[in-house]
Amino acid sequence: NSKVIQTPRYLVKGQGQKAKMRCIPEKGHPVVFWYQQNKNNEFKFLINFQNQEVLQQIDMTEKRFSAECPSNSPCSLEIQSSEAGDSALYLCASSLANSDYTFGSGTRLLVI
Amino acid sequence: GDSVTQMQGQVTLSEDDFLFINCTYSTTWYPTLFWYVQYPGEGPQLLLKVTTANNKGISRGFEATYDKRTTSFHLQKASVQESDSAVYYCVLGERNAGAKLTFGGGTRLTVRP
Repeated sequence: NSKVIQTPRYLVKGQGQKAKMRCIPEKGHPVVFWYQQNKNNEFKFLINFQNQEVLQQIDMTEKRFSAECPSNSPCSLEIQSSEAGDSALYLCASSLANSDYTFGSGTRLLVI
Repeated sequence: GDSVTQMQGQVTLSEDDFLFINCTYSTTWYPTLFWYVQYPGEGPQLLLKVTTANNKGISRGFEATYDKRTTSFHLQKASVQESDSAVYYCVLGERNAGAKLTFGGGTRLTVRP
């Protein structure tokens, strides 16, 4: 039973459609991460936040994704125009200052 | 940049066999090293963590030693069970909460009853 809650578990979108997923981090964790895990089990870091501010993001995220982590609301990651290559498991993780990272169960996106 | 190498993509054992999963890393920092385990349909779960060189992490019968000299963090278990079947990831992290993790390629462990 993960303390990081991700919704929805599954998401099916057509190419060009928006795809939005949400994450409630573990209570008290100030840092939130999004990773993409592909079918070969490779992890790609997408973006991270600390107290609602973006710390780092990769080029792809900056260009094609919209992400936010407002106070008192779930964090969200949205692909503006889905592509077939975006089909993957999207994992949210949160952490404390002592670098313990807790992952959610993920949102599995299929772009058809 | 940082990297983590797991040479074994798949390991198949029988119950009560000894497990050894190889992991080496490359970084310019003094990292925190983790082993995460991922079961089907779930996100990765922390198995063990070691923050200091030459220390050993132990959890649920698994152990790994942070060897700074050989830049290795191999995972071992004396006697595996069928319930240990999962994908195991060696992971490198920096010592601050905002730092992203670097994952190895994963090792799929299958334990036959």
